[in-house]
Amino acid sequence: KAGVTQTPRYLIKTRGQQVTLSCSPISGHRSVSWYQQTPGQGLQFLFEYFSETQRNKGNFPGRFSGRQFSNSRSEMNVSTLELGDSALYLCASYDPGQGAPEAFFGQGTRLTVV
Amino acid sequence: EDQVTQSPEALRLQEGESSSLNCSYTVSGLRGLFWYRQDPGKGPEFLFTLYSAGEEKEKERLKATLTKKESFLHITAPKPEDSATYLCAVQAETNDYKLSFGAGTTVTVRA
Repeated sequence: KAGVTQTPRYLIKTRGQQVTLSCSPISGHRSVSWYQQTPGQGLQFLFEYFSETQRNKGNFPGRFSGRQFSNSRSEMNVSTLELGDSALYLCASYDPGQGAPEAFFGQGTRLTVV
Repeated sequence: EDQVTQSPEALRLQEGESSSLNCSYTVSGLRGLFWYRQDPGKGPEFLFTLYSAGEEKEKERLKATLTKKESFLHITAPKPEDSATYLCAVQAETNDYKLSFGAGTTVTVRA
């Protein structure tokens, strides 16, 4: 079974630009979450989608948004990039059939804002 | 708000020198506590899920235990390939699967 696939793996953007990151979950997984990982803050929850509906959103500004498509693939968008948005962005998918479903993470997208 | 604190921040071990990592947590209704391993530049890799106090799980040289306030990850006779950052996370009994992570413990095992 293929794992969680995130594209692209690396991105360099300029302040003020916007960026879209993509995540393909494990086949059959309908729930997808996004996390931001930085050396100072660790792993921070961004948002979660289940069957195209956002179920929860972390404490991030409105510049961060996401969506999920009918095939469970998900995208997140960051507009008006700031230097502090430089981070590893991780996507995770879950098998909702489990009582406490473990998150399967992708390799992440390393975003650098210059 | 759910909180997870891991200690120590870093741990340097000699090959074969057993040790333990600590994860203290507060959560309003625990659905599960998770341990992950993360190698540099990669996504976290799932290790264990613990559901209730008294539960233990083992995998090779790793053993995870859970009490009502903390979890321990014991590394027995570690090898250099056990070098990684170990992350602890909790999932609350809510309508979503949000994980609240600790900052992690970076383990370095010297040959």
